[in-house]
Amino acid sequence: SQQGEEDPQALSIQEGENATMNCSYKTSINNLQWYRQNSGRGLVHLILIRSNEREKHSGRLRVTLDTSKKSSSLLITASRAADTASYFCATDASRNTGFQKLVFGTGTRLLVSP
Amino acid sequence: GAVVSQHPSWVICKSGTSVKIECRSLDFQATTMFWYRQFPKQSLMLMATSNEGSKATYEQGVEKDKFLINHASLTLSTLTVTSAHPEDSSFYICSAPDGQQRGNQPQHFGDGTRLSIL
Repeated sequence: SQQGEEDPQALSIQEGENATMNCSYKTSINNLQWYRQNSGRGLVHLILIRSNEREKHSGRLRVTLDTSKKSSSLLITASRAADTASYFCATDASRNTGFQKLVFGTGTRLLVSP
Repeated sequence: GAVVSQHPSWVICKSGTSVKIECRSLDFQATTMFWYRQFPKQSLMLMATSNEGSKATYEQGVEKDKFLINHASLTLSTLTVTSAHPEDSSFYICSAPDGQQRGNQPQHFGDGTRLSIL
């Protein structure tokens, strides 16, 4: 399987704490994306980092990418109860096919307690 | 922002029934859409790539006669689960990349369809 792996599978923290999720993948990529999924809903795009970028920020989110290790991390700072969701990384490794075909990681279920 | 609408959100039907799921891009044109399947507490698995005006491209192991995909317009793709059985029960999600740019663009996801076959 080409599917990426994420760890931890589940993470439980208190409001105000930081949450770090890691993603490893197997192939060369064009970019890596992080998505959030609330229970029973579709996915919401959080951040996209290109293969030539090493770090990217968006609000309370910080993403790093290490292409030599084929890994990425998502840091959520000062977490809130509303951050409770599943988080997935997805890699775009499409070659000469135009639109991207994403391969999703296994996901991290984050629980933020008030 | 770009919105993808998926309908219905929830279907319960008897074994042997065929079920159609619609995926619409509401404020942009989508020449390509993607269909995923997700089992409880698991990740999304790509089933097929839907191409406007041409045949869909199916991932290995996905039966094209079982999961019929039609992408007849630039804003609508449909997935029909034919002669559904209990093992087809799952959460089906569609997505579409925004606009005509190729690569390095996020995808917009529908809210998913929960299919339960009795």
